[in-house]
Amino acid sequence: AQKITQTQPGMFVQEKEAVTLDCTYDTSDPSYGLFWYKQPSSGEMIFLIYQGSYDQQNATEGRYSLNFQKARKSANLVISASQLGDSAMYFCAIGTYNTDKLIFGTGTRLQVFP
Amino acid sequence: DAGVTQSPTHLIKTRGQHVTLRCSPISGHKSVSWYQQVLGQGPQFIFQYYEKEERGRGNFPDRFSARQFPNYSSELNVNALLLGDSALYLCASSQRIAEATDTQYFGPGTRLTVL
Repeated sequence: AQKITQTQPGMFVQEKEAVTLDCTYDTSDPSYGLFWYKQPSSGEMIFLIYQGSYDQQNATEGRYSLNFQKARKSANLVISASQLGDSAMYFCAIGTYNTDKLIFGTGTRLQVFP
Repeated sequence: DAGVTQSPTHLIKTRGQHVTLRCSPISGHKSVSWYQQVLGQGPQFIFQYYEKEERGRGNFPDRFSARQFPNYSSELNVNALLLGDSALYLCASSQRIAEATDTQYFGPGTRLTVL
């Protein structure tokens, strides 16, 4: 079975600063993918970034980067130069080839202040 | 290109009633998944359909059912509604091109309230 753990229920960051959202995972499947989604108060889950288990380099997408440490089973999301619009819930999720589904963590609420 | 669309956006039902939620995937996507998100929690997997066949089912009672149509759109049906079914229901689509993992793109969700 797969599991995602997000230990930070809430985080605060000042505008223009960087912030790291933690995510640890557990799976016995050697082939898996890690995803981060942003969920504003409107409810829609917005895909941010993906990291495959066999990818050698950490994924980056604009201001988002994924700090993938396979030995520690962690996949932290780094948001650089935070903006007020980054205030939202952030979910880490894992998907494996054999399960046809995503397993989500409990999320971290990020609040960006001026 | 249009993203995943869901209808209705909001729905209020009473206990014991039946509800049908609808989802249209991104053009070219053949896989549709349904998730339930209760307030304060992460989404929980309900079903996945690919090429009109059920490919995965989460730990939900038989009151929950779904189907996928030839145009790859999908319906989620919930019978005999309970108060605990109140949640945001999210639909996601993916290409499912046989890679180890597949990015799922979500719609705006249907917020169901059961009174």
